[in-house]
Amino acid sequence: GEDVEQSLFLSVREGDSSVINCTYTDSSSTYLYWYKQEPGAGLQLLTYIFSNMDMKQDQRLTVLLNKKDKHLSLRIADTQTGDSAIYFCAERREARGSTLGRLYFGRGTQLTVWP
Amino acid sequence: DADVTQTPRNRITKTGKRIMLECSQTKGHDRMYWYRQDPGLGLRLIYYSFDVKDINKGEISDGYSVSRQAQAKFSLSLESAIPNQTALYFCATSDLQDNEQFFGPGTRLTVL
Repeated sequence: GEDVEQSLFLSVREGDSSVINCTYTDSSSTYLYWYKQEPGAGLQLLTYIFSNMDMKQDQRLTVLLNKKDKHLSLRIADTQTGDSAIYFCAERREARGSTLGRLYFGRGTQLTVWP
Repeated sequence: DADVTQTPRNRITKTGKRIMLECSQTKGHDRMYWYRQDPGLGLRLIYYSFDVKDINKGEISDGYSVSRQAQAKFSLSLESAIPNQTALYFCATSDLQDNEQFFGPGTRLTVL
């Protein structure tokens, strides 16, 4: 399909790991992103991965990329109540015959962390 | 001071009214975007501009228009607001590499 897909909701207990999954659409997408939106705020870039990588780790965050399946995941270790937010997956697709790419966002996954 | 600002932050208006949402940025970025966010639908792109002379329609441009008055300013207009334009509107900017989009705090618009 043409849409970036992600599940809408995820609930975890504090201290557990969270895994948010995303399926993107264009195998030639150059960058894949995870954005975080806290209540009442705009989106902030959490992390991103270049398409020639299959894993990126940054403190509690691990991003896994499976290009063959066009699957991206975000793992948050030791999830805290402050991690409760909406997480958006996004892919950067390049315009055909142009370098003017742009981002396409998924619908967002609402992560709820229970104490 | 915030890098990307939006005014107003909240607006309630009536059907048929003309509304303008404004966005300003101090990041010196060429690229600017307007999105709307609806529950369960995520972010949908309304319009984007890659420089002052460039305007492009996004997925849901019907009922909206934009103006790129300067590199730092990008405004969104609803010529005749309707209730299904009730949503949260975000402005964003990025540099030419577009590795990160910086979002404003959002404008909550309610059309009665």
